[in-house]
Amino acid sequence: DAKTTQPNSMESNEEEPVHLPCNHSTISGTDYIHWYRQLPSQGPEYVIHGLTSNVNNRMASLAIAEDRKSSTLILHRATLRDAAVYYCILSNAGGTSYGKLTFGQGTILTVHP
Amino acid sequence: DTEVTQTPKHLVMGMTNKKSLKCEQHMGHRAMYWYKQKAKKPPELMFVYSYEKLSINESVPSRFSPECPNSSLLNLHLHALQPEDSALYLCASSPWAPGSGNTIYFGEGSWLTVV
Repeated sequence: DAKTTQPNSMESNEEEPVHLPCNHSTISGTDYIHWYRQLPSQGPEYVIHGLTSNVNNRMASLAIAEDRKSSTLILHRATLRDAAVYYCILSNAGGTSYGKLTFGQGTILTVHP
Repeated sequence: DTEVTQTPKHLVMGMTNKKSLKCEQHMGHRAMYWYKQKAKKPPELMFVYSYEKLSINESVPSRFSPECPNSSLLNLHLHALQPEDSALYLCASSPWAPGSGNTIYFGEGSWLTVV
């Protein structure tokens, strides 16, 4: 299975943009890149996903490198409620890992007032 | 309404007990999942049901027994558990059979303590 590498932790100030990086150098052509986050004492929450092109939604933006070996989740204006563990995950369209969403260690984001 | 409901929120059980965790979704999703999460660790996939049939079992010990009575319900039957099975158990669902582009919706989880 293709793996992802994320920094263990990052810090940000409130109302500033946050760029959360993810490396996935062994990504295959059919792997989607997903981002989920988990707030304390809650289940994971979907943030965004994409395949090749950059994606935007009301929560965040996803910037995918041209070679797809890395991606960046962008929170445009961090709030205290964005403090969470952010997971970058690859899901595969085929093979034995079809349908699996395998979480890596994630990045703990701390937002300072 | 994007909601996955899990009951109970907290469960304490002895090693000889039999108990069940329940999960429900009314979004018309056809795939449902069980994940296990230990403290300060990422969630680990246990089981996947697709169209009410078990499609993935991640070599989970038989003391955990999943059941999908219909497309809206998912149970996890627990028997003869060990203290190391204490964890947060997360249920999730997705609109169709597991695949790359699916969005998976998680419940709040059931906190299980085995004594």
